[in-house]
Amino acid sequence: DAGVTQSPTHLIKTRGQQVTLRCSPKSGHDTVSWYQQALGQGPQFIFQYYEEEERQRGNFPDRFSGHQFPNYSSELNVNALLLGDSALYLCASSSAPGSGSPLHFGNGTRLTVT
Amino acid sequence: QKEVEQDPGPLSVPEGAIVSLNCTYSNSAFQYFMWYRQYSRKGPELLMYTYSSGNKEDGRFTAQVDKSSKYISLFIRDSQPSDSATYLCAMSTNNAGNMLTFGGGTRLMVKP
Repeated sequence: DAGVTQSPTHLIKTRGQQVTLRCSPKSGHDTVSWYQQALGQGPQFIFQYYEEEERQRGNFPDRFSGHQFPNYSSELNVNALLLGDSALYLCASSSAPGSGSPLHFGNGTRLTVT
Repeated sequence: QKEVEQDPGPLSVPEGAIVSLNCTYSNSAFQYFMWYRQYSRKGPELLMYTYSSGNKEDGRFTAQVDKSSKYISLFIRDSQPSDSATYLCAMSTNNAGNMLTFGGGTRLMVKP
């Protein structure tokens, strides 16, 4: 049973560039959430996708956008990268909101902005 | 002040010790409480998931929630070197499939 898979595992970008991160949810899950984890801190919620729509959003600027595909996989896009965007980006999947299903996390994409 | 506070540690204990990890929170609307374990260079792994107040036990792990004090705990019995990791508490105001608010994590080191 494949868990949550994320790609790439590591990425180095320059300030001002754009980046796309990818996530495949755990088998049987249809909801994908994205979190940002700065070094030494807990994850912070970015947004959640269900039925190909953004359902909830945390306190992140519009430079952060996402997409969910019909097969439930998801992408996180970040435009105009800042040094402060350097972090571990975690994808988490669950069953539909309201189902009581807890989140299962992938191992993340480590983004470094130079 | 953060919504969820957690002592960052590091907490160093000898193998076999009982470990107590704690979080305090300020939002009384939190109803679902979770503990995740995160090894270096890995994603968080769900350990315990509880609703409202009370205790829940799973093997060597016991989670306690005291909503009146806005305080949650995770106890690890007979700690092992393999328990060395960062422990994150997380909570939500509705079903756990929605937005989680995390503490900053406590780094635990269990020495052989």
